[in-house]
Amino acid sequence: AQSVTQLGSHVSVSEGALVLLRCNYSSSVPPYLFWYVQYPNQGLQLLLKYTTGATLVKGINGFEAEFKKSETSFHLTKPSAHMSDAAEYFCAVNNAGNMLTFGGGTRLMVKP
Amino acid sequence: GAVVSQHPSRVICKSGTSVKIECRSLDFQATTMFWYRQFPKQSLMLMATSNEGSKATYEQGVEKDKFLINHASLTLSTLTVTSAHPEDSSFYICSAPTGGKETQYFGPGTRLLVL
Repeated sequence: AQSVTQLGSHVSVSEGALVLLRCNYSSSVPPYLFWYVQYPNQGLQLLLKYTTGATLVKGINGFEAEFKKSETSFHLTKPSAHMSDAAEYFCAVNNAGNMLTFGGGTRLMVKP
Repeated sequence: GAVVSQHPSRVICKSGTSVKIECRSLDFQATTMFWYRQFPKQSLMLMATSNEGSKATYEQGVEKDKFLINHASLTLSTLTVTSAHPEDSSFYICSAPTGGKETQYFGPGTRLLVL
């Protein structure tokens, strides 16, 4: 069975500061890994994904994530936070018939 | 990216009535769609997998007679909440895979409130 753990249900950063959202997964086979963002009362928007190839993946809005197999991690980073980045972020893994397993989510708050 | 729509975006109904939620893939065909439920401040929980031309596959603990799923065409799946009760109030989100099939695109969600 696969599982996803997001460390920290709430993360608060100042505008312009580094954003680091943590994601660890467990999987019996090489996984596909995703980060989604959800704004209030909206669906999920794909930020980035890792399937194969380069382990450092760049996504939209300046976000990137690095797949580290040895650490079973896929942490999401952004060098400089903007107010508009405040949202809920979900890490997810897919390795069985296109079914996604989500982490518990991390709410990012950005202080002016 | 691919576009998935949901209708309605918000619905309020009386206890005991049924509510139908539509999920459409607007610019691609989807033989499979997924229905999720999200409680406030929580993650998404997969309810069922909707399969075009065959029965839906429900996750453990999800009542198939209460949450009826019909995948009528390659671009439309519907979720009907039958005899809704206040505890069914939630945010329902659908998704569909496309492209390399490993990526899912999500609808904007439907907020259901049962009074």
